[in-house]
Amino acid sequence: SYDLTQPPSLSVSPGQAASITCSGDKLGDKYASWYQQKPGQSPVLVIYQDSKRPSGIPERFSGSISGDTATLVISGTQAMDEADYYCQTWDNGVIFGGGTKLTVL
Amino acid sequence: QVQLVQSGAEVKKPGASVKVSCKASGYTFTSHDINWMRQVPGQGLEWMGWVSPNSENTGYAQRFQGRVTMTRDTSVSTAYMELSSLTSEDTAVYYCAIAVAVGSFDNWGQGTLVTVS
Repeated sequence: SYDLTQPPSLSVSPGQAASITCSGDKLGDKYASWYQQKPGQSPVLVIYQDSKRPSGIPERFSGSISGDTATLVISGTQAMDEADYYCQTWDNGVIFGGGTKLTVL
Repeated sequence: QVQLVQSGAEVKKPGASVKVSCKASGYTFTSHDINWMRQVPGQGLEWMGWVSPNSENTGYAQRFQGRVTMTRDTSVSTAYMELSSLTSEDTAVYYCAIAVAVGSFDNWGQGTLVTVS
């Protein structure tokens, strides 16, 4: 089965950049998406097709992919960005990474 | 605007079945597959499968094969996910989601908590 690996947690100070990675075999040959989920809420799509932002998502969210690793970068992280972040791709179905808990402190 | 409204929380006994609904509005119901995910408390997202509102074709994650059934009723723009032989490990929030505009899940239901106890 196909797996996506994310770091379980990441802490950043307000105003710093947060970089969350997602690794999977030949992930660069697929499309990666990223979702933000705050406690008690449904996930929200923040990046699709590796690097595109849906309308309404702030410009500080960006995505990239290189080789086997997709990266979500939040520039100028704000307190409101504190959430769990999940990467997602397709391989014989929908695959989610294990999630990264981003703490802004 | 696109809305997916799910049925309310359920409490089930082990061995029972649960059927969660997802009522769609704001778009053409038959145009987009409905996917179902779940999230065990404190854990990550897990994909369960999809149903095509147009054809009622389905595709299920292997670990749920034989235990999950996804259907739809186009007359009321509603999709359903039924999970049988419930155990405590099925206690989770169940979500429906669709990919309308960008090929990824840009619209989600509010989630339905299913407690097996």
